[in-house]
Amino acid sequence: EAGVAQSPRYKIIEKRQSVAFWCNPISGHATLYWYQQILGQGPKLLIQFQNNGVVDDSQLPKDRFSAERLKGVDSTLKIQPAKLEDSAVYLCASSRTSGGARDEQFFGPGTRLTVL
Amino acid sequence: AQSVAQPEDQVNVAEGNPLTVKCTYSVSGNPYLFWYVQYPNRGLQFLLKYITGDNLVKGSYGFEAEFNKSQTSFHLKKPSALVSDSALYFCAVREGNTGGFKTIFGAGTRLFVKA
Repeated sequence: EAGVAQSPRYKIIEKRQSVAFWCNPISGHATLYWYQQILGQGPKLLIQFQNNGVVDDSQLPKDRFSAERLKGVDSTLKIQPAKLEDSAVYLCASSRTSGGARDEQFFGPGTRLTVL
Repeated sequence: AQSVAQPEDQVNVAEGNPLTVKCTYSVSGNPYLFWYVQYPNRGLQFLLKYITGDNLVKGSYGFEAEFNKSQTSFHLKKPSALVSDSALYFCAVREGNTGGFKTIFGAGTRLFVKA
């Protein structure tokens, strides 16, 4: 099966600009995750969707970050305006079932964001 | 609150020797535990998981992990390390009782296997 696709792979912007990331999960996977991975740290969950509904966005900085999952498939994550501390790798992942705490996650290659 | 600790930033081992990457966790309910590996410029890949049952779980690439409830640990092991095992390893935990929506990852341990 095809893996999780993400684009772009790299993005460089200046602070206060906006940026958007796209993710296409594995076909049929109900749950989609966005993580932020800062250099030297483990991934931190930003938002989790089950189908097209949000089940956890407690760590999403909602004043600048937004995300949506269209028709329960693709997802976009947006940052507006970006800050220097947003420089990180943004990982998208999916898992098979909805509410599947037992499921492993399948990760995309990530988007490396640099904010200057 | 859930938490995961990986006490070693880096583990060095010679090829052919056994390796252990340590992980301890804290949850209020039953834990679901995972190990992932990250190779350079690639996304995380699932290695193995513990949900319930046998405390020793086997996963990909010859890796295994032992769940120890009394020590709240889930150490990753391999009997004979390969140079190609050199990568960044992450332990992760979910709390099973509540449905475990949030996955908490450790900070990662870099494994370096010397030929």
